Amino acid sequence: KAGVTQTPRYLIKTRGQQVTLSCSPISGHRSVSWYQQTPGQGLQFLFEYFSETQRNKGNFPGRFSGRQFSNSRSEMNVSTLELGDSALYLCASSLGTANEQFFGPGTRLTVL
Amino acid sequence: QQPVQSPQAVILREGEDAVINCSSSKALYSVHWYRQKHGEAPVFLMILLKGGEQKGHDKISASFNEKKQQSSLYLTASQLSYSGTYFCGTPGGATNKLIFGTGTLLAVQP
Repeated sequence: KAGVTQTPRYLIKTRGQQVTLSCSPISGHRSVSWYQQTPGQGLQFLFEYFSETQRNKGNFPGRFSGRQFSNSRSEMNVSTLELGDSALYLCASSLGTANEQFFGPGTRLTVL
Repeated sequence: QQPVQSPQAVILREGEDAVINCSSSKALYSVHWYRQKHGEAPVFLMILLKGGEQKGHDKISASFNEKKQQSSLYLTASQLSYSGTYFCGTPGGATNKLIFGTGTLLAVQP
C-alpha cells in the first residue's frame, strides 16, 4: 500500500505571497489532518478533514485554510505569508477516528 | 494544554533501558506515542486506552495512569534504531486531532 504523499517537498516563498500544499492520503483513509512543526512550538495541530468536512481546527489565524476533495486528497493554503510561517507542514491520514495516524514526509516551507 | 514530557533529552548506550514520561493537566482518555527520526516523518508506536487496552508496537511497552494523568513509555535493551524524538499525543475531542507533547530526544550510542 502506498503511503501518504505530500507535494511539493520543499518550497521557498517571500513574505506576502500565498502557498498551496497538497496531501494524498493512504487509499481508503477518509481522515486527513495537518500539523505545523517548528523548533520552538513543536508539533501543532492545524485542522482535520473527514469526508470533505472540516471536523476540527487548531488555534491558527484565518490565513491558514484547507479543503478536502471527494477522493480524500487534501490541500492547505496559507495566504499573506509571514516569516513565522516557515516550518515543516505534515499531513497525516487515518482510517477512522482515534486510530493510528500515518504521516507524510512533509513540506518544508521557507518564507524569506 | 500541551502535555509535558520528561526528560527533554536522554543519551543511552546500546542495551540500556529508558523511560519517557508524558503528563497532562487534563483528564486523559487515551495516549498516542510516536517516534520521529531526524529529517523524517513521525511514525506511530502505540495507543494506550482507558481501561488498559494497548494497540501497537511489540517491542516497546507503555503504561497509562488515568488518575495521575500520565503515561510512560518503556524502552528496554535499546538499539541504535531507537534513536529519535519521541512524542506523546492526547486526543483533542472526538476527532483525530492530537495535542502533541513537548518531545523527548533519545540518542542511543554504540
